[in-house]
Amino acid sequence: NAGVTQTPKFRVLKTGQSMTLLCAQDMNHEYMYWYRQDPGMGLRLIHYSVGEGTTAKGEVPDGYNVSRLKKQNFLLGLESAAPSQTSVYFCASSYPGLAGDTQYFGPGTRLTVL
Amino acid sequence: GEDVEQSLFLSVREGDSSVINCTYTDSSSTYLYWYKQEPGAGLQLLTYIFSNMDMKQDQRLTVLLNKKDKHLSLRIADTQTGDSAIYFCAENPPDTGRRALTFGSGTRLQVQP
Repeated sequence: NAGVTQTPKFRVLKTGQSMTLLCAQDMNHEYMYWYRQDPGMGLRLIHYSVGEGTTAKGEVPDGYNVSRLKKQNFLLGLESAAPSQTSVYFCASSYPGLAGDTQYFGPGTRLTVL
Repeated sequence: GEDVEQSLFLSVREGDSSVINCTYTDSSSTYLYWYKQEPGAGLQLLTYIFSNMDMKQDQRLTVLLNKKDKHLSLRIADTQTGDSAIYFCAENPPDTGRRALTFGSGTRLQVQP
């Protein structure tokens, strides 16, 4: 099992450019999440999904969109990148009721917006 | 992570015990978690505790939960240099149906040889 994988690992964008971050999990987990991590802060939830075809907003959803067309994939899109979106983005997945609803994290994508 | 508070930094000597503290605010959280993040890596689950438990021990790790004071602690016995990392506590409050976690800002543990 690869667990949770994220692509790309690094990316540099100019203000106004768009991009999509891909998260994939091979654990048949129902739930998937996107978080961002900024220096000196914990992770903050951007969007999450409780199943294929469903998404919901988290704590900091503005400027991001998501899609969950397949159970194993969760995409995070930035339509018009801003410097405030410079961050490390983590994807996670979980299965309800399994191991205390533990979330398993990917290695992260480091995004810089100039 | 404004609802979950942790001290920012802890320094210990190799072989000593480390105690990392966390205060959370949502007493209805079902589980509380400790995650470890090494430089440049994602978060790795260390352990979790069900909210109706007071203590959980797992090898060198001991988790204590005081629900009355909403206080969670992680004790690492015989701390090693490989334990140097950032440690996050997290809870699963009901505002997302307990499906997402609220994290503290992390405690950086530095282990000196």
